[in-house]
Formats: sequence, C-alpha cells, structure tokens
Amino acid sequence: RKEVEQDPGPFNVPEGATVAFNCTYSNSASQSFFWYRQDCRKEPKLLMSVYSSGNEDGRFTAQLNRASQYISLLIRDSKLSDSATYLCVVNIVNSGYSTLTFGKGTMLLVSP
Amino acid sequence: DAGVTQSPTHLIKTRGQQVTLRCSPKSGHDTVSWYQQALGQGPQFIFQYYEEEERQRGNFPDRFSGHQFPNYSSELNVNALWLGDSALYLCASSFRTGTSGTDTQYFGPGTRLTVL
Repeated sequence: RKEVEQDPGPFNVPEGATVAFNCTYSNSASQSFFWYRQDCRKEPKLLMSVYSSGNEDGRFTAQLNRASQYISLLIRDSKLSDSATYLCVVNIVNSGYSTLTFGKGTMLLVSP
Repeated sequence: DAGVTQSPTHLIKTRGQQVTLRCSPKSGHDTVSWYQQALGQGPQFIFQYYEEEERQRGNFPDRFSGHQFPNYSSELNVNALWLGDSALYLCASSFRTGTSGTDTQYFGPGTRLTVL
C-alpha cells in the first residue's frame, strides 16, 4: 500500500464548478499535512496547510480526519487558473527531522 | 530576497556517467532536502542535510550522495547513471525549528536530468 494515495485523475470540470480531491495516508505517525499545487513543468508550491479543525482560504477548503487518516481539498467556483496538479503531502518528524511524503497528484483541468 | 535556486536547469547525460546538481537555499534557511520526481509521479524524498550532515534518507541506493556546505548550499551527486534516473530533481529548503522538525519547505525550480 502506498503511503499517500490520491484520486486518480485527471478531473475535467467547467469554470465555476466545485471540485473535491481526496487523499488517504497510511502512517499514523504523520504529524502535519499539506496541499501543494504544481503547474506543468514547474516546482510544487504550497497551497495550504491542513488542520483537524478544517481551514479555508478563499475558494479553497481543506479538511483532515486523523481517525480515518483522510485529507480533502475542496475548490469552489473553479477558475481556468486553477488548472494544475494537486499534491497531497504528509510530514513525518523522525528524530527531530521532517520528511515530506507526496501522493502521486491529481490533475485538474478547468475548461471555459 | 531570492528564493531557492538550482543549477543547471537542464542536463543530458549518458548511461554510466556521473552528475552533480546544485542548490542554494532561501535566505535564512538551514536545511536542504532533495527529491526525485519521475514523469507522472509525485516527488520522492532522497535525503535531507542539516549542519553539513545527512540527517534523513529515503529509499535510494548509495549511487545517490550529497553534501552541504557551511553556507547551507548543497549538492546532489549521482554516480553510474541509469536510464531510470531521468527525472526532475527538486531541492527544497526550510528552517529547522527544533525537535519538531522544520517549518514549511520551499522548492526550487528543479533540474531536469535526461539519461540517454
């Protein structure tokens, strides 16, 4: 079983749609959680951290369920500029050193 | 304030050769992590350097080695290149906050390595 699993993509949606990404992780020692966005042939960039209480940043809402080891990202009112690959990331701290483990990513294509 | 920089941007090598990739961390950061991203996959952790020592290592063979310099910059070396080493190599820098690890990792633009 992969350490971080994401929905296989791509997701094709029209502008204005709401889209949800799901992610599960296997290591219960995971301590912090993130969504990164990666544009084609570019580096990953932090989109948002994910907290157990849920957090929102504009059109983006992230949720974490530690009991189920499940993370989600909701994008409302999709824009063309949201087209990218969304990477689910977990951070494990071992002996005081952080290691990020990435999912394979889910590609989002927003069309006019 | 410059972000994370990497060089070169692209590189073409043949099987069996050796390669060195370079990374300069974001100002104020002291920890450098290296990742390999194959086409269609998420980045995979190679290793992490702090205080000039390798502190964590992923599931990569000894052909992959690295170094961190006193100014926190870092190199990734790969010996005896295979075709399968073709990938985007990403460097990420962060600041180690203590026993709880590091804060947010920021990625450089990557070096795209092609092995023929």
